[in-house]
Amino acid sequence: EADIYQTPRYLVIGTGKKITLECSQTMGHDKMYWYQQDPGMELHLIHYSYGVNSTEKGDLSSESTVSRIRTEHFPLTLESARPSHTSQYLCASSGRDSNYGYTFGSGTRLTVV
Amino acid sequence: AQSVTQLGSHVSVSEGALVLLRCNYSSSVPPYLFWYVQYPNQGLQLLLKYTSAATLVKGINGFEAEFKKSETSFHLTKPSAHMSDAAEYFCAVGGNTGRRALTFGSGTRLQVQP
Repeated sequence: EADIYQTPRYLVIGTGKKITLECSQTMGHDKMYWYQQDPGMELHLIHYSYGVNSTEKGDLSSESTVSRIRTEHFPLTLESARPSHTSQYLCASSGRDSNYGYTFGSGTRLTVV
Repeated sequence: AQSVTQLGSHVSVSEGALVLLRCNYSSSVPPYLFWYVQYPNQGLQLLLKYTSAATLVKGINGFEAEFKKSETSFHLTKPSAHMSDAAEYFCAVGGNTGRRALTFGSGTRLQVQP
């Protein structure tokens, strides 16, 4: 079944640790996105990619980085986690015509202590 | 440029009552419009979408939305609320060509009282 997967679902980690949030999709979608969602619910686009080896920063400045070496894989990395990074991170993908909508993963809830 | 405004960050209804969640959009091109639902600790799930076919769009779980160009609105309705409808709802607009098509609203939390 075509889908988009995020791991881990929940992560509690200490300050200063390096972390990678995984996102994979099996739909062959060209475009992928990372959103940060704080308890106030609003979605903030932090990274997006429209194909292999193409990534750009989104609307909200983020200390995280992303890579797109394979079409199906779009990991997000924090080199040194801080409490301010505590949030929910949502990954999404869309086909070449993203006007037909995004498919979202279940999210990763990150807590940095 | 495109934008979405969701009126009311919180809406509370009684079980069995009408649900009305408001969304107004701004777009310089014919819009594509979406409603997504998010249950606690989950990602966003597509409820319905308008892509310039019928102006009344039916979605999952008994929800529907009507595109009104004159009012630049795409309000979400359900005739009778169920406890399981309690969630966050996001309206989104697309239509621009380019790489980042969708702009999301700030969300509306729906509470359903017994």
